Amino acid sequence: NAGVTQTPKFRILKIGQSMTLQCTQDMNHNYMYWYRQDPGMGLKLIYYSVGAGITDKGEVPNGYNVSRSTTEDFPLRLELAAPSQTSVYFCASSYPGQGSYQPQHFGDGTRLSIL
Amino acid sequence: ILNVEQSPQSLHVQEGDSTNFTCSFPSSNFYALHWYRWETAKSPEALFVMTLNGDEKKKGRISATLNTKEGYSYLYIKGSQPEDSATYLCAWSFLNTDKLIFGTGTRLQVFP
Repeated sequence: NAGVTQTPKFRILKIGQSMTLQCTQDMNHNYMYWYRQDPGMGLKLIYYSVGAGITDKGEVPNGYNVSRSTTEDFPLRLELAAPSQTSVYFCASSYPGQGSYQPQHFGDGTRLSIL
Repeated sequence: ILNVEQSPQSLHVQEGDSTNFTCSFPSSNFYALHWYRWETAKSPEALFVMTLNGDEKKKGRISATLNTKEGYSYLYIKGSQPEDSATYLCAWSFLNTDKLIFGTGTRLQVFP
């Protein structure tokens, strides 16, 4: 069982470039989440999805877009990369049912640097 | 402001010591409290999800308690081992949301 798989693991972007961070899970989880983690800060929720075709903003959505066309995949798009988006990005998933009663399963993260 | 505070920020203990740390969260509109263990260069792994006031959960040498009325949870590690070295995160959710608010974590280092 692969769990939650994120690609790439590392990436360096130039300011203004765009890219998509991939996230896929094979646990048939309905709920998926994108977080960013900055030094000294907790995980901050960027976007989340409760099922295919449904997405919603988290605490820090500006500068990002998401889509959820299948249960398995939840890509995160950066359209115009800015230095403030340098961070480690984590994707997570969980079973549905009574909101946040279910533990989240995390991918290994994508370390992104914008120069 | 919806804030989750964890203390201490970091902790160094000797192998065999027992230790505990605190997660504080808003007591109103409580829904669930999660604890995660996050080893360096790995991803966070769920330890406990707690939902009821007075809940106590245990997994091996690690246990947690929950007080929703006063807004805190304690995580205890009995007889710490070097493999317990990790950052321990707590996360809180409110009302009937699907979102978690994470604290910044307590970083535990256990020296042999």
